[in-house]
Amino acid sequence: GNSVTQMEGPVTLSEEAFLTINCTYTATGYPSLFWYVQYPGEGLQLLLKATKADDKGSNKGFEATYRKETTSFHLEKGSVQVSDSAVYFCALRGFGNEKLTFGTGTRLTIIP
Amino acid sequence: DGGITQSPKYLFRKEGQNVTLSCEQNLNHDAMYWYRQDPGQGLRLIYYSQIVNDFQKGDIAEGYSVSREKKESFPLTVTSAQKNPTAFYLCASSPDHSGANVLTFGAGSRLTVL
Repeated sequence: GNSVTQMEGPVTLSEEAFLTINCTYTATGYPSLFWYVQYPGEGLQLLLKATKADDKGSNKGFEATYRKETTSFHLEKGSVQVSDSAVYFCALRGFGNEKLTFGTGTRLTIIP
Repeated sequence: DGGITQSPKYLFRKEGQNVTLSCEQNLNHDAMYWYRQDPGQGLRLIYYSQIVNDFQKGDIAEGYSVSREKKESFPLTVTSAQKNPTAFYLCASSPDHSGANVLTFGAGSRLTVL
């Protein structure tokens, strides 16, 4: 079955540091890949997505590239802010598969 | 604005009681989902529905029940058979079940069993 493995947290960085959160996946066929973000006490919000190999999703300064050869979808941001503190989830959804499979989430804390 | 409304935001239950969590969407989405979130375990799928009057079990359906009598509504009942119901419950919807469609989530309901 499909699975997503995420970098374990928590991750603590100083403001303006470079961020990478690793995500690798196992799936048959050509899944769509997503990063969701959850701010404290809230539901999940879509951060970015990519639907085919070599696509780059981007939003709010975050980027992730769909790498089929390494089955990865790592999240990056060049300069993080305190407001980026949240839990980040990598997820995949198989083609024609209604189930969204999530990683365990990575808690990110940015200190001023 | 379109979105998903979950209620209540916080709920306390005594052991042996059934409780129902509400989920309403005005996005005209066909597919709706219930996930459970526990610390360190990510999100796990409880039930999903692709269309009115139809629903399927997810990965952890035991102790839960759902109904889909209206397109906009997908309530979840946590029954007394659920052995460890304390968790954060998230409802989501998408236009249909195809892989590229994004799920829109509600703000969640936190259930605590006393």
